[in-house]
Amino acid sequence: AQSVTQLGSHVSVSEGALVLLRCNYSSSVPPYLFWYVQYPNQGLQLLLKYTSAATLVKGINGFEAEFKKSETSFHLTKPSAHMSDAAEYFCAVSAPTDSWGKLQFGAGTQVVVTP
Amino acid sequence: SQTIHQWPATLVQPVGSPLSLECTVEGTSNPNLYWYRQAAGRGLQLLFYSVGIGQISSEVPQNLSASRPQDRQFILSSKKLLLSDSGFYLCAWGGSGGPGNTIYFGEGSWLTVV
Repeated sequence: AQSVTQLGSHVSVSEGALVLLRCNYSSSVPPYLFWYVQYPNQGLQLLLKYTSAATLVKGINGFEAEFKKSETSFHLTKPSAHMSDAAEYFCAVSAPTDSWGKLQFGAGTQVVVTP
Repeated sequence: SQTIHQWPATLVQPVGSPLSLECTVEGTSNPNLYWYRQAAGRGLQLLFYSVGIGQISSEVPQNLSASRPQDRQFILSSKKLLLSDSGFYLCAWGGSGGPGNTIYFGEGSWLTVV
């Protein structure tokens, strides 16, 4: 069985500061990994996805994530936070053996950006 | 391009009343379809998924059911709602190409059971 843990349910960052959201997975084999963003009262939007092609994955809106097998991590970063980055972020995993691509989500991290 | 539509966006239903949420996908064929629920403070939980017409798999036992009457239509239903059914329901679709397919979400439906 696989699971995903997001450290920190709430993160506050200053505008222009580094955004770092932590995600660790538990799986017997490296899974497929995803980051999604959810703005208030909206569905989830894909930020980026790891599929083993490259350990550093670049996504939309200036975000990127690095897959570290030794640390079973897939942390999300953005060098400079913008007010529009305020949202909830979800890390998710999908087992490489799951033909239906079902996603297991972390609990989410709410990001607040302060001026 | 592919799009996913989900409705109604918001509804308030009394306990014991029926429920029907509908979702359709455009621009693709034979998608995998999913219903997720997001309850306050509980993250996203997969409720049902479907890999074809009439093929429904349930992830958790509950007061809800799902149906897929057409290739790109997915319906979430209940005969009698409970207070615990309140939450944000998200329909999603993914390709049928195997593991690691990206899943795309609709805008969601807010259900409040009173």
